[in-house]
Amino acid sequence: GAVVSQHPSWVICKSGTSVKIECRSLDFQATTMFWYRQFPKQSLMLMATSNEGSKATYEQGVEKDKFLINHASLTLSTLTVTSAHPEDSSFYICSGQGALGYTFGSGTRLTVV
Amino acid sequence: RKEVEQDPGPFNVPEGATVAFNCTYSNSASQSFFWYRQDCRKEPKLLMSVYSSGNEDGRFTAQLNRASQYISLLIRDSKLSDSATYLCVVKVSGGGADGLTFGKGTHLIIQP
Repeated sequence: GAVVSQHPSWVICKSGTSVKIECRSLDFQATTMFWYRQFPKQSLMLMATSNEGSKATYEQGVEKDKFLINHASLTLSTLTVTSAHPEDSSFYICSGQGALGYTFGSGTRLTVV
Repeated sequence: RKEVEQDPGPFNVPEGATVAFNCTYSNSASQSFFWYRQDCRKEPKLLMSVYSSGNEDGRFTAQLNRASQYISLLIRDSKLSDSATYLCVVKVSGGGADGLTFGKGTHLIIQP
């Protein structure tokens, strides 16, 4: 079946640094990649939607200059959290939309100290 | 008002019991409905889609009531491995690249 490989699984970084999260679709082409964030005991919240080769569409309240999304190919999308702060600590998860529906990555747990 | 509302639980039920929970959605333009399962610190996994006519997959039965904007999930003969958080998920448009809207989830604990 369709798989989305997401890396890293977890990362601890210092405040002020940038972290890049990668999602690769295996065995299918993800024409659209969705990026979600989930805080403890909260629902997954859509941050942005990216289509291959075009600029991402961000949800209200999500800073596009802070969360840089690149969807350079049909199999790779990246999210970079720039100048991370402790309040950015969360579970980030991508979801690729292909012909068979939505496939989630395994998530990245980001802790900013 | 939240777009997708669920009772967070937790629901503690004995193994073998039948348990049901539901959710309501606020956007009447919602066209696709799903139940996902999420284990602790893991990604959500699709459990089943929900159709207007109701549908069943083994021990799991899903129902949709469009008039009341209400979705339900029933689990029969519950197993220990059913312990998880069940997410009610809706999609507004029928096509195009739109993200899914998730409820906070209902935490289910099956006890031996």
